[in-house]
Amino acid sequence: GENVEQHPSTLSVQEGDSAVIKCTYSDSASNYFPWYKQELGKGPQLIIDIRSNVGEKKDQRIAVTLNKTAKHFSLHITETQPEDSAVYFCAASGDNDMRFGAGTRLTVKP
Amino acid sequence: GAVVSQHPSRVICKSGTSVKIECRSLDFQATTMFWYRQFPKQSLMLMATSNEGSKATYEQGVEKDKFLINHASLTLSTLTVTSAHPEDSSFYICSAKLGDTQYFGPGTRLTVL
Repeated sequence: GENVEQHPSTLSVQEGDSAVIKCTYSDSASNYFPWYKQELGKGPQLIIDIRSNVGEKKDQRIAVTLNKTAKHFSLHITETQPEDSAVYFCAASGDNDMRFGAGTRLTVKP
Repeated sequence: GAVVSQHPSRVICKSGTSVKIECRSLDFQATTMFWYRQFPKQSLMLMATSNEGSKATYEQGVEKDKFLINHASLTLSTLTVTSAHPEDSSFYICSAKLGDTQYFGPGTRLTVL
């Protein structure tokens, strides 16, 4: 089955700096890669996703890149703000269930 | 669009009682819903996959007789924690599938005294 690894587990950046979170997956059949943001006490919210036919996708300050050959994908947040502080989960899915990474706790210091 | 609600958001119950949690897709129909459990500072642990009109598929190690799942309509799935014990205290989150994407509910904090 699919195995998703996520790094780092914690990340602290200064407001305005960029943050990068990386994930690797094991199943070459996976073709859909969403990213979720979870604030304390709330459910995860989809922030961006990418499919295997695309190498990069951007939405304002958030971008995701995918390298299918290496089986890794990354989340990039530019010009970070304190409200970006949360736990971020990557996920990978194909024909089977979606599998999640362990999460990255991002702290943006004002 | 793609909003999922959960009710209740918080519940406190006595040991031995049963608790039902509802998950609704508000603006779309979901043939498949999922139930997750999340411990503090940990990732999402899939408990079961709920398919409308058929039996749920449970992950290994999840007791189907303890965590009863019903998916009677395309917009509603329920999770009943039967004979709850303190070790069942956790954050329970559902999601509903639309296309490739899972949309999550806000979660239910269960505390068993």
